[in-house]
Amino acid sequence: DSGVTQTPKHLITATGQRVTLRCSPRSGDLSVYWYQQSLDQGLQFLIQYYNGEERAKGNILERFSAQQFPDLHSELNLSSLELGDSALYFCASSVPSGNTIYFGEGSWLTVV
Amino acid sequence: GENVEQHPSTLSVQEGDSAVIKCTYSDSASNYFPWYKQELGKRPQLIIDIRSNVGEKKDQRIAVTLNKTAKHFSLHITETQPEDSAVYFCAASKESGYSTLTFGKGTMLLVSP
Repeated sequence: DSGVTQTPKHLITATGQRVTLRCSPRSGDLSVYWYQQSLDQGLQFLIQYYNGEERAKGNILERFSAQQFPDLHSELNLSSLELGDSALYFCASSVPSGNTIYFGEGSWLTVV
Repeated sequence: GENVEQHPSTLSVQEGDSAVIKCTYSDSASNYFPWYKQELGKRPQLIIDIRSNVGEKKDQRIAVTLNKTAKHFSLHITETQPEDSAVYFCAASKESGYSTLTFGKGTMLLVSP
């Protein structure tokens, strides 16, 4: 157990819908990262937050957005869902002074 | 930005053989290089990492080597076992709490009994 908690574990939804994925980082970690992993694909970096502020942006679609709340948990919002958005979405966190990131168990999103 | 290339994409070995996975990076300012192992349907887990002030690091059957001049680093697994079968990802970043890891595309390692 990495200490990073993600909910829900599995989610099935229809095209055009909107979903929210939730992440609680490890205790003491200030940075939260979101990654997308599609079938046979690597880990695509989406976005990073540090202590509530956006720090880095990767290949995140405009239909996707994220935020980190004062209690440091983070949410990834996916809207106008398409079939191609079906993927495993990982949240990860790291300590303030380090680069080592610890992944949660992921949220499986299936868009039908 | 940083770009990490990883080879091979798949690697099949017999149990007991050694396996080597190689990565190259583009940003000479990168100085932190972790390796993650991901079993099917599971989360990536850190197995070993190396920083640029070290050329080699070992942990039991796993070792990582780093050549900063050539900008490449490698993962070596000796005496492979079936439970080593997984996807392995290399990554690179600057040593900073704000720096984001850039991952390679992964290597699927298959260890046959």
